[in-house]
Amino acid sequence: DVKVTQSSRYLVKRTGEKVFLECVQDMDHENMFWYRQDPGLGLRLIYFSYDVKMKEKGDIPEGYSVSREKKERFSLILESASTNQTSMYLCASTPRDRGNTEAFFGQGTRLTVV
Amino acid sequence: KNQVEQSPQSLIILEGKNCTLQCNYTVSPFSNLRWYKQDTGRGPVSLTIMTFSENTKSNGRYTATLDADTKQSSLHITASQLSDSASYICVVRRGGYNKLIFGAGTRLAVHP
Repeated sequence: DVKVTQSSRYLVKRTGEKVFLECVQDMDHENMFWYRQDPGLGLRLIYFSYDVKMKEKGDIPEGYSVSREKKERFSLILESASTNQTSMYLCASTPRDRGNTEAFFGQGTRLTVV
Repeated sequence: KNQVEQSPQSLIILEGKNCTLQCNYTVSPFSNLRWYKQDTGRGPVSLTIMTFSENTKSNGRYTATLDADTKQSSLHITASQLSDSASYICVVRRGGYNKLIFGAGTRLAVHP
């Protein structure tokens, strides 16, 4: 059974804190993605990575950074958390093939910044 | 602009009834379209994929259609069950890009 695992289901952090969200996949996928999901807006891409140590900005990268030191692990970092970063964060992975492959998602991390 | 729009935003139906969810897209070039189901507190899971040459595809009680000329897709759910209560998300992949474009989803509630 393929799996994308996010380290936390729920997180509550204070404004200004540095926050780490971790994602691990066991499918040997090259591509990994971080999205945030807000009501009425759908999923918006924050960052993605197509290989170890490689990263590309998505549509809303401001206030975020990422790290991919190993193929199976992709971390999202909020350098200084703010209340407008309260959201559901979803990690996903796909193999390198750009065809009809499915994106596999983690269960999500609901982050609240107070 | 590459966009995916879904309607309705939310829907309530009684158990056993049918329903149809709509997805319109302006993504170009088009590669494929997937419907995902997202249960509350979970990540999305793929239900079905539609490629350019496919008009209709069924997966159990779920039937997806695609009209590539009008850039519309629908997801029809037959004989709904309480477990169908979820958000349904339409996702389009741009041809030649490793990027997915998501609709905002339709939140379906099936009541007994």
